[in-house]
This record gives sequence, structure tokens and C-alpha cells, in this order.
Amino acid sequence: DTGVSQNPRHKITKRGQNVTFRCDPISEHNRLYWYRQTLGQGPEFLTYFQNEAQLEKSRLLSDRFSAERPKGSFSTLEIQRTEQGDSAMYLCASSREGGNQPQHFGDGTRLSIL
Amino acid sequence: RKEVEQDPGPFNVPEGATVAFNCTYSNSASQSFFWYRQDCRKEPKLLMSVYSSGNEDGRFTAQLNRASQYISLLIRDSKLSDSATYLCVVNGRGSQGNLIFGKGTKLSVKP
Repeated sequence: DTGVSQNPRHKITKRGQNVTFRCDPISEHNRLYWYRQTLGQGPEFLTYFQNEAQLEKSRLLSDRFSAERPKGSFSTLEIQRTEQGDSAMYLCASSREGGNQPQHFGDGTRLSIL
Repeated sequence: RKEVEQDPGPFNVPEGATVAFNCTYSNSASQSFFWYRQDCRKEPKLLMSVYSSGNEDGRFTAQLNRASQYISLLIRDSKLSDSATYLCVVNGRGSQGNLIFGKGTKLSVKP
């Protein structure tokens, strides 16, 4: 399977704990994106990388959130001191460079904060 | 005004019906437009890009009206397998990377 891969699929943790998610993009895609989706809403943009450079961050990405893509391949998204409001599906997508390139999504990581 | 607005739905239609989805967007500078479909508890999947001249892919036709900032998707001869949520998507303000999604319109096709 050469699609976008995310893990874990599900994460349940207590409030206040730190969590980290991983995303492996489609190999020939140099852009990687993180989104968050809650029930009944469309995905909301968090941040994106072109190669290893983080080019844009949403205001949704508070200082408890950090994303990295150190070698321009896989990416991690860390949430520190989790809060109940962080419960959501975290989606990763990748695309080729270019304004009209469609983004292809992974299965997502579903985060539940107890 | 929300950046991308869609019909709230849901749409419940019989097999074989034609169904139309409407979407408006607020950023007149948007350059990229897409329709994605999302099955329950699954990731969004690209259905089709939307081009200025309009485009068709089998039973699916997408139209773009830049003057009205309006996008549409038409599904002809709907199938049970078309049941999903349809998301209207445009690129974000001043950005090539950021996609703005509508809330989606749920479609249920009944036998």
C-alpha cells in the first residue's frame, strides 16, 4: 500500500498527558499537511510542510501543539498537556508541490481524552 | 460569513435520482477547488478537482462560477454506493497549502 500512513489509529489518554502521532506521506509527495476533524465538521487545517520546512501554521495550533518533519519524509505531531477539547480525528495528507495539486489523506488518528 | 458554505442536508434520494450539491466560498482569490467524499468514520477521499470550464467524470459533473463564487456538484443516476458526505473544498486565503473544507452535505441513497 503506497498511500498515506498514520499511526496509531486510535489513542486514548488521560487529560494532561502528552501524545505523539506519526504520518508517513506518499513517497513522491514533498508536501505534508495536518488537519483536525471533529464530529459534524469538515477537516480544519493545522499546519503544512514543504520538504522539511514548516511553511504555514493555523491559529488553531496552540503552543501545546508542535509538528516536525526533520528529514522531509515522515512527520510527527505532538500535543502536550492534553485537554478534553483536543479529542478529535487528526488527519494527515500529502501532495505534490503546486497550487492545484489535490491532497491525499491517511486514515487518521482518533484521539480520545478521558 | 463562513469561508466555505454548503447545503446543510441531509439529502435522502432514491436510487437513480439526480442530486445537486451547492457550495459558496468567500475568498475571491481562491484558485484551487475540489470535491471530496467522506464515508462514515473514514478519511476524506478526492472525488474530483473543479476547473473553470466545468468538468465531468462519468456520472459526476462539477461546475465553477468565479463571478458568483459558487461551486456545484451534480450526481446523475445515483447508486447506493454514492451514500457519503460530500465536502466542498477551496484553497485558503493567501495560501497554496491550506485547504478550507465546508461542513459537508450528507447523502443517503435508498433502494
